[in-house]
Amino acid sequence: DAGVIQSPRHEVTEMGQEVTLRCKPISGHDYLFWYRQTMMRGLELLIYFNNNVPIDDSGMPEDRFSAKMPNASFSTLKIQPSEPRDSAVYFCASSRNRSPQHFGDGTRLSIL
Amino acid sequence: DAKTTQPTSMDCAEGRAANLPCNHSTISGNEYVYWYRQIHSQGPQYIIHGLKNNETNEMASLIITEDRKSSTLILPHATLRDTAVYYCIVRVDNQGGKLIFGQGTELSVKP
Repeated sequence: DAGVIQSPRHEVTEMGQEVTLRCKPISGHDYLFWYRQTMMRGLELLIYFNNNVPIDDSGMPEDRFSAKMPNASFSTLKIQPSEPRDSAVYFCASSRNRSPQHFGDGTRLSIL
Repeated sequence: DAKTTQPTSMDCAEGRAANLPCNHSTISGNEYVYWYRQIHSQGPQYIIHGLKNNETNEMASLIITEDRKSSTLILPHATLRDTAVYYCIVRVDNQGGKLIFGQGTELSVKP
C-alpha cells in the first residue's frame, strides 16, 4: 500500500514568496494532520482535519499559514508571505478513526 | 494529555535488548501509551501502543507497570537500523486525536 505522499521533498525559496506544500493521505483514512519540526521546538501539531473538515487549528502559528483539504485525497499547507523563521521540516500524517497515525517523509523547507 | 518524561539519550550494543523507559505519572485511566520512533531524515514511525496490558508485535514489546505510571519499550535484538529518536506519548484514544511529541530518547545502537 502506498503511504502518505508529500511533495515537494525539498523547497528553497526567498523570503516573501508563497509556499505551497502538498499531501496525499493513505486511501481510506479520514484524519489528516500537519506537523512542523524544528530543532528549537521539536515536532508540533499545526492543524488536523476529519472528513476534510478542520477540527483543531490552534497550532497554526499565524495568519500567514493556511491549510485546506478540498477532498479526501489531497491537502495543502500554504505560507504567504514566507519568512526565514518558517524554515523547518513539515510532516503530513493520516489515520483512520482510532488507528495509529502514519507519517509521510516530510518537506524540508528553507526560506532564504 | 498527560506529560511524559524520557531520558535524553541511551546507548545499546548491537544484538542486545534495548530497554527504553518512560514515566507518565499523571496518566488518566482512559489514556493509552503510544511509542513512535523517528529515524534521521524520515517521518515518525508508529511502533506499538497499549492501555494497561503488556503488548508485543513484530517490532517491539511494551511493558506497562501495574499502576500505569511508567512503561518500558523493549527492542529485543537491537540492530544498527534501530538507531533513532524514540517518543513515548500518552493520549486519550478517541477518534483521530492529536499526538503531542516531547523530546524523546535518542537511542544509539553501536556495533
